[in-house]
Amino acid sequence: GAVVSQHPSWVICKSGTSVKIECRSLDFQATTMFWYRQFPKQSLMLMATSNEGSKATYEQGVEKDKFLINHASLTLSTLTVTSAHPEDSSFYICSASLIRGRKTQYFGPGTRLLVL
Amino acid sequence: GENVEQHPSTLSVQEGDSAVIKCTYSDSASNYFPWYKQELGKGPQLIIDIRSNVGEKKDQRIAVTLNKTAKHFSLHITETQPEDSAVYFCAASIDSGGGADGLTFGKGTHLIIQP
Repeated sequence: GAVVSQHPSWVICKSGTSVKIECRSLDFQATTMFWYRQFPKQSLMLMATSNEGSKATYEQGVEKDKFLINHASLTLSTLTVTSAHPEDSSFYICSASLIRGRKTQYFGPGTRLLVL
Repeated sequence: GENVEQHPSTLSVQEGDSAVIKCTYSDSASNYFPWYKQELGKGPQLIIDIRSNVGEKKDQRIAVTLNKTAKHFSLHITETQPEDSAVYFCAASIDSGGGADGLTFGKGTHLIIQP
């Protein structure tokens, strides 16, 4: 149980284009989903917290107009990287927290983004 | 905000020996401390977690200890096996019982199990 999927697993795009990443909780409903970013050989950094039906809360230094988050249902959150640039190339990982009980976070497999 | 320090950055042990990874945190309000294992190119996998109302938790070869007064917690892996080789992250957050908080991660420990 507690499986989180992400799509796509990797994406290559040209500079200036937008990329959408989906995060789904497959076998549970998630009150809250989180988006993290991880550069090579570094730790995960929280970008934003997403609650179903409300606006996402962004961490300091994360541009909300560049990283658009939509949490349309209790099983789906999307992250759109708008007007991507090479410095946005990274490993983007989402996590989901169970709607009931303890708020353990389960992570997706990640999406590797390469902007050329 | 919370700051989590993790040591060592790299740990090499002989197969069968024990491995210990230590973390400290700064925010005394933090009450939830998970440990994740991450293999190359994959997302983190929860291996064990502990909440501040207990001092120790064990699951087969893995155990975690928490010292709230000193604000540090440790991961202990006994009888290490080659498949334990990975990067391990500690994390801390506040679980208020309402909405979940995002995790603050340590920088990770690359655990290498020597055959």
